[in-house]
Amino acid sequence: AQSVTQLDSQVPVFEEAPVELRCNYSSSVSVYLFWYVQYPNQGLQLLLKYLSGSTLVESINGFEAEFNKSQTSFHLRKPSVHISDTAEYFCAVSETGGSYIPTFGRGTSLIVHP
Amino acid sequence: DTGVSQNPRHKITKRGQNVTFRCDPISEHNRLYWYRQTLGQGPEFLTYFQNEAQLEKSRLLSDRFSAERPKGSFSTLEIQRTEQGDSAMYLCASSQRVGGGSDTQYFGPGTRLTVL
Repeated sequence: AQSVTQLDSQVPVFEEAPVELRCNYSSSVSVYLFWYVQYPNQGLQLLLKYLSGSTLVESINGFEAEFNKSQTSFHLRKPSVHISDTAEYFCAVSETGGSYIPTFGRGTSLIVHP
Repeated sequence: DTGVSQNPRHKITKRGQNVTFRCDPISEHNRLYWYRQTLGQGPEFLTYFQNEAQLEKSRLLSDRFSAERPKGSFSTLEIQRTEQGDSAMYLCASSQRVGGGSDTQYFGPGTRLTVL
């Protein structure tokens, strides 16, 4: 069975600073990986996903994540954050084959200070 | 495309009462998922439908929980004899699954249940 560990429950940063949100997964088979973002009082929105091909995936708002199979990681990065990036970020993994139901991590709260 | 909608957004009930939540998926989506999210946790899978068929249920879904998706459109999640431990955010998501492989889930805003 798959599992996800988000190592940081909260990450405070100053505006325009770089940030990395860490995600490690465990699975015995090939996986798909996702990052979702949840703004206050809203539902989860897909930020980016890795299905196959290039291990570096990017979102439209400047985030990127790199699939590292040897380290079983899928860390999320942004070179310069904005106040509006303040939100909860969830990493998720689903195993290829079967129902593809994702397992979510506990979430990391990104808090951007002015 | 108005996105996934859920009603009500908030529900406060007394222990032992029954509650029902509704989810309206994106109209062309054939899959519909229910998740539960408690404070400080990520969403936990409860059940999902492909069209009107309920294909998988989590062990979290006790016999007090029942979900339906008549005609493969909207879905309802009912909790009977609510307990304080049922207090959580209940999330619905939908997706369009074509063939094999992963599909992108689109989430609704959730229904927050408080059991007193």
